[in-house]
Amino acid sequence: IAGITQAPTSQILAAGRRMTLRCTQDMRHNAMYWYRQDLGLGLRLIHYSNTAGTTGKGEVPDGYSVSRANTDDFPLTLASAVPSQTSVYFCASSASDQNSPLHFGNGTRLTVT
Amino acid sequence: GQNIDQPTEMTATEGAIVQINCTYQTSGFNGLFWYQQHAGEAPTFLSYNVLDGLEEKGRFSSFLSRSKGYSYLLLKELQMKDSASYLCAVLDSNYQLIWGAGTKLIIKP
Repeated sequence: IAGITQAPTSQILAAGRRMTLRCTQDMRHNAMYWYRQDLGLGLRLIHYSNTAGTTGKGEVPDGYSVSRANTDDFPLTLASAVPSQTSVYFCASSASDQNSPLHFGNGTRLTVT
Repeated sequence: GQNIDQPTEMTATEGAIVQINCTYQTSGFNGLFWYQQHAGEAPTFLSYNVLDGLEEKGRFSSFLSRSKGYSYLLLKELQMKDSASYLCAVLDSNYQLIWGAGTKLIIKP
């Protein structure tokens, strides 16, 4: 079934630890995104990639890094987790057209203690 | 600054009609999206409006007035499965998506 797969589904992480959230899509979409969703706030963009080999910073990039080695994969890394990074993280993709809707993965619920 | 306003929560009765409003103030406009998000799940695309007027898609319709910076999502013949959060998002002049905090819709029998 075509779509976006995120892993892990949930994770409890000690502060200071390094963590990579995985995201893979099989729709051959050029654009991919990482969002965080916190209660009472809209989705906030962390990083994005318009095509393989390029990445850009979103609204809240500090403490996060991404890479886009190929079309399908877009991992998000927390170099040294802090409690304020406790959130639900969604990976999304869209076709090249800038007005294309986003397709979301099922999310990763991350708790930093 | 850029801002999207939606009611935090709404309650409606099964079988009825509900209108969820969204007002926006953004730097430019290149379209407005509505997404549905059930609790604990991913957002899913409902509609896209870029021109003024009403777009109908089954039980769901979306309206846009660019001059008023206003949109609404209209849900008819409400079903229990429509209980979800509804997210409004605007594409600004740089084609960046600005998201509202979402409206939690509670459907009662």
